[in-house]
Amino acid sequence: SQKIEQNSEALNIQEGKTATLTCNYTNYSPAYLQWYRQDPGRGPVFLLLIRENEKEKRKERLKVTFDTTLKQSLFHITASQPADSATYLCALGGQSGYSTLTFGKGTMLLVSP
Amino acid sequence: DVKVTQSSRYLVKRTGEKVFLECVQDMDHENMFWYRQDPGLGLRLIYFSYDVKMKEKGDIPEGYSVSREKKERFSLILESASTNQTSMYLCASSTGLVYSYEQYFGPGTRLTVT
Repeated sequence: SQKIEQNSEALNIQEGKTATLTCNYTNYSPAYLQWYRQDPGRGPVFLLLIRENEKEKRKERLKVTFDTTLKQSLFHITASQPADSATYLCALGGQSGYSTLTFGKGTMLLVSP
Repeated sequence: DVKVTQSSRYLVKRTGEKVFLECVQDMDHENMFWYRQDPGLGLRLIYFSYDVKMKEKGDIPEGYSVSREKKERFSLILESASTNQTSMYLCASSTGLVYSYEQYFGPGTRLTVT
């Protein structure tokens, strides 16, 4: 069966360090993968999109990698700040004939000062 | 600034009531989506629409219906609300047909069915 796995345990790191979040998937062949940030009680906010033919994407302090052989994406936040504390969701898309996404359950990141 | 709005932030309904959740986007997006989000289960797609009057079932359509009479508005209907439909409901929109761009989400409606 299809599965998207993100660490269910919260990731605790200190301010200034690099946070690395993992998204693994099985029985999917996504054409692209997206990462979202969600704060408590709010809707997710898009961060980055990476396509299957791209290995890496960067945006300011954010970096995403996509390894279709390993079926894994890594999401990095460098020089993390307490304001980066949130839940981060990965989402796979491009498998059906429609622009739907299948979301992972998310990983909570806690950045302490 | 792009915007997706939902009719209510909090809603309390009784079992058996018909419930309407409204979503409006101002970005002229073709696609609109309804999700529910529950602890431990994540975001799950209920229904989506890629054009006016068009609708497709998502992963968990049972107990729900939708309506899209205008491009900017997508409604989720609970025909007869049940307690297991207590959840956070999120609406989203995006452009693009197959090769999607990002989804823009509304603030969510927390629905409690008693």
